[in-house]
Formats: sequence, C-alpha cells, structure tokens
Amino acid sequence: DQQVKQNSPSLSVQEGRISILNCDYTNSMFDYFLWYKKYPAEGPTFLISISSIKDKNEDGRFTVFLNKSAKHLSLHIVPSQPGDSAVYFCAARIYSGGSNYKLTFGKGTLLTVNP
Amino acid sequence: SAVISQKPSRDICQRGTSLTIQCQVDSQVTMMFWYRQQPGQSLTLIATANQGSEATYESGFVIDKFPISRPNLTFSTLTVSNMSPEDSSIYLCSVRTVAEYGYTFGSGTRLTVV
Repeated sequence: DQQVKQNSPSLSVQEGRISILNCDYTNSMFDYFLWYKKYPAEGPTFLISISSIKDKNEDGRFTVFLNKSAKHLSLHIVPSQPGDSAVYFCAARIYSGGSNYKLTFGKGTLLTVNP
Repeated sequence: SAVISQKPSRDICQRGTSLTIQCQVDSQVTMMFWYRQQPGQSLTLIATANQGSEATYESGFVIDKFPISRPNLTFSTLTVSNMSPEDSSIYLCSVRTVAEYGYTFGSGTRLTVV
C-alpha cells in the first residue's frame, strides 16, 4: 500500500514556463512534507518542505502548496530552467517513537525542461 | 548541512557473495538511515542505525540479510549478504539535518548482482 503517490512518471515543460509536480498521500499522521531533487548518479537533494499546519511555503522559484483536506500537495517551479531537469521525489515524515521520524517517498517524477 | 561520503559508488557482484557499503559523515549525528531504491521504485527505508545500539529494521528487512554496524557517531556500514539479482538496487545512507526538517543523502551505491 503506497502512502505517498506521484501519479505522473514524467513531465515536460518549456524553459520559462511553470512546472507543476503533484503528490497525493493517504496517511493523515504525516507532519511534514518534503520535496527532493535527484540528478543521475547523485543522491537526492533536499529542496523545500512544508509543515502540515501550513498551506504554502515559498523559496525563490520554488513554492509548495498543501491541501490537507484533499491530502494533496504540489511543487511549483517558476520560471523553469533547463538545470531543473531531474527526478523530483515527494516525501512525507511521520513520528515513529522517541526522537525518531521516518520518511515515506513517492516514486518520483522526471521533469524535463526544454530550452 | 552535513556532507556524506558513501563508498563504493557502484559495484557488480556475483550472486551468493556479500558487499559492504560504507557511509562517512563529516559531523556527529545520532541517527543514520539506510534506504534502497529498486529500479522504477521509490526510496524504501531499510533500517535506522543508532550509535551504540542495534539497528531498527523496517518490515520486510532482516538483520541476517542486511547487517548494519554503527561504531561511532560519524560512520556506518550496510552489508548486503548472500546477494541475488533481486538485490540489484541503489542503496543510500541518510542523516537528519535540523534546518527545515530536511534529510541529507549520500550519493548512493549502485549495485548490480549477476
């Protein structure tokens, strides 16, 4: 049972336009949501996060929106640049006891930004 | 944020053998995490490694198959034992960072079992 779902395996956009990557989740106990970017042969790199009590977080060209009632979040990249081409993972954090938290990841969306 | 060095970056191994993956962090961390990413799949947590205690394994993962060592606060190893082709995956270590509730990942070990 996949608790974090990224239903679009890939997305292609033109440079300068907006990229919107989507993520759905099922567990209402997740307290933080995170987006990671991954280039080939590299580990995932933390991009931006949002608390479950917020509905928006912005950092430069990157904005994450959270719709808690729909259990849906999205990552907006504006404007998109060719260097943004990578796999984007949505992840959700849940408390697992003591001082421990665990991350659950989606399968990722391959973003291609065309010049 | 922490910098993680993970070795080897890739390896091709014969079935039935074992491979030990090393993860070195440039600062002391309490918990280190080991993940697996099978082809076309999400990152799946294998276990959490605390210094001075046994690792805590997730459902579907056992110590005999994936023994973990955590001798100090900056280093951990994951061994993939008695490998089969189904173990072909990318294995990643990770540590939790304080800033913005993010987690830092190593560059991963791409394992192919033939």
